[in-house]
Amino acid sequence: GQQVMQIPQYQHVQEGEDFTTYCNSSTTLSNIQWYKQRPGGHPVFLIQLVKSGEVKKQKRLTFQFGEAKKNSSLHITATQTTDVGTYFCAGNQAGTALIFGKGTTLSVSS
Amino acid sequence: GAGVSQSPSNKVTEKGKDVELRCDPISGHTALYWYRQSLGQGLEFLIYFQGNSAPDKSGLPSDRFSAERTGGSVSTLTIQRTQQEDSAVYLCASAIWGGYNEQFFGPGTRLTVL
Repeated sequence: GQQVMQIPQYQHVQEGEDFTTYCNSSTTLSNIQWYKQRPGGHPVFLIQLVKSGEVKKQKRLTFQFGEAKKNSSLHITATQTTDVGTYFCAGNQAGTALIFGKGTTLSVSS
Repeated sequence: GAGVSQSPSNKVTEKGKDVELRCDPISGHTALYWYRQSLGQGLEFLIYFQGNSAPDKSGLPSDRFSAERTGGSVSTLTIQRTQQEDSAVYLCASAIWGGYNEQFFGPGTRLTVL
């Protein structure tokens, strides 16, 4: 079945450093979504990517969808303590359920 | 309401008992998902409802787990003969349509099986 894998599982950075999490799928995806879950909270939607090679930016966050639509990345520039949480990617093939990766938990020390 | 609601927020039960968890999705959303999240772990897909189509049950871990969605709205996840390994947070999410749209998550039900 479809699998979505994320690396790294954990990442600790100093405030101001950059952070990247990577998402890989065993199959070609129709779209990929990214979510953030703060400690003690529930996942909250960040963005959706649909097109091959698509790049989208939200302030310090840059999201990329690979040319083959099988991988994606989230890059945060100059992390802040408010970036702490777990970042999940989720993808699906047409007509199938959205499957989440296991997430990357980011901790930031000031 | 404005968002997805789930009840109860917390449920403590004894091993072997049955439990029912409820999800009220956002009105008009045709897609509804159930996930399970163990402490510090990712989101484990359980079941997916899309409109009037047959649900995708491929994520249900055993036949002790079942879910219904009545009238295309409220959903109930039932766990029979609960086991300690069933302890987790059960999250419900709804979306306008299928896997192509933003999922809105409820606050979850924390299930503890003693």
